[in-house]
Amino acid sequence: AAGVIQSPRHLIKEKRETATLKCYPIPRHDTVYWYQQGPGQDPQFLISFYEKMQSDKGSIPDRFSAQQFSDYHSELNMSSLELGDSALYFCASSLSQVDEKLFFGSGTQLSVL
Amino acid sequence: AQTVTQSQPEMSVQEAETVTLSCTYDTSESNYYLFWYKQPPSRQMILVIRQEAYKQQNATENRFSVNFQKAAKSFSLKISDSQLGDTAMYFCAFYIQGAQKLVFGQGTRLTINP
Repeated sequence: AAGVIQSPRHLIKEKRETATLKCYPIPRHDTVYWYQQGPGQDPQFLISFYEKMQSDKGSIPDRFSAQQFSDYHSELNMSSLELGDSALYFCASSLSQVDEKLFFGSGTQLSVL
Repeated sequence: AQTVTQSQPEMSVQEAETVTLSCTYDTSESNYYLFWYKQPPSRQMILVIRQEAYKQQNATENRFSVNFQKAAKSFSLKISDSQLGDTAMYFCAFYIQGAQKLVFGQGTRLTINP
């Protein structure tokens, strides 16, 4: 069965650079969530989208932006990267915004040097 | 605000033993779901078990079962006949219908020793 695809798996950037993380949800899933998991931390909700519109926002820095495209894939754009942005970034998708079953991708490990 | 608390940062048991991981949560909502996720060293987030708050019957999935005490806002995970492959970080999580996000606890690092 198709799963949530995230790319890239690993990303290394320098401070003050920009990064773009991509997420391809399971086919027919119209809701996408982004989470950030720092080393030894629990995942923290960043932002979610339903039908290409932002549906909820968590502790996402102003330096970060995200969108969901017409094919339902989503991109998380991160600018002016800081050392503290080093984390595992998860994307999850669900069949609808009222479906509590989230399916997670394998994550993108971002390292900021 | 909704919160999830896992009071056991680390646990360790011998293979084949039974282990129980604790989780408490706080909410004033009535329509919600509770989950246990497993995160092995690969860091993939894997759903272990799910419980609907409106169901009194405790969910079970093979060797995994929960003890859901709604009045006490408690949701513990029992792993029977533990296996080496159960070694992982376990997160309790909470989803409120309409809030459209999953809130995680701090996690419990479980080690199964041979």
